[in-house]
Amino acid sequence: GAVVSQHPSWVICKSGTSVKIECRSLDFQATTMFWYRQFPKQSLMLMATSNEGSKATYEQGVEKDKFLINHASLTLSTLTVTSAHPEDSSFYICSASTGTGLYNEQFFGPGTRLTVL
Amino acid sequence: GQQLNQSPQSMFIQEGEDVSMNCTSSSIFNTWLWYKQDPGEGPVLLIALYKAGELTSNGRLTAQFGITRKDSFLNISASIPSDVGIYFCAGRSNFGNEKLTFGTGTRL
Repeated sequence: GAVVSQHPSWVICKSGTSVKIECRSLDFQATTMFWYRQFPKQSLMLMATSNEGSKATYEQGVEKDKFLINHASLTLSTLTVTSAHPEDSSFYICSASTGTGLYNEQFFGPGTRLTVL
Repeated sequence: GQQLNQSPQSMFIQEGEDVSMNCTSSSIFNTWLWYKQDPGEGPVLLIALYKAGELTSNGRLTAQFGITRKDSFLNISASIPSDVGIYFCAGRSNFGNEKLTFGTGTRL
């Protein structure tokens, strides 16, 4: 159980175009989803926290107009990278949790590798 | 954003050797987590620690939550080839706040 999928697993796009990445919790309902970005040989950096039915909360330094997050249902969150540029090339990973609490766990997706030419 | 200091940054070992890595923070965390990430994949939870001083094992893995709440270590005993990967610690600071802060990673 507790499987999180991402689609696509990799994408190559031209500079200036927009790319949408989907994150789905397959066998549980996720009240909260998180989006991370990971550059090569670096750690995961949280970009935003997304709660179902409400606006995402972005971390400092992350442009909300560039990285559009929609969490329309308890099983789906999307990240849209608008007007992508080569510096946006990275590994984007989502995670999903069922709620809050001491023992609540985040389940991570397999990641989406974005390459902007 | 904030990152936790993790050491060593990388290590090369022989099969069968024990491995130790640690994570330190200037802030207090109420939960410490250890993850393993294989190339091109998302991180997978190995061990979760919820109480200061707690020592928890998962097979050949043992992790401890430092009593100051500002550090944690992970030991791997009798390493095998499939242990290769990147290990990340992560801390969660507040109950009810699910945000995780990740360490810089240890490449094994």
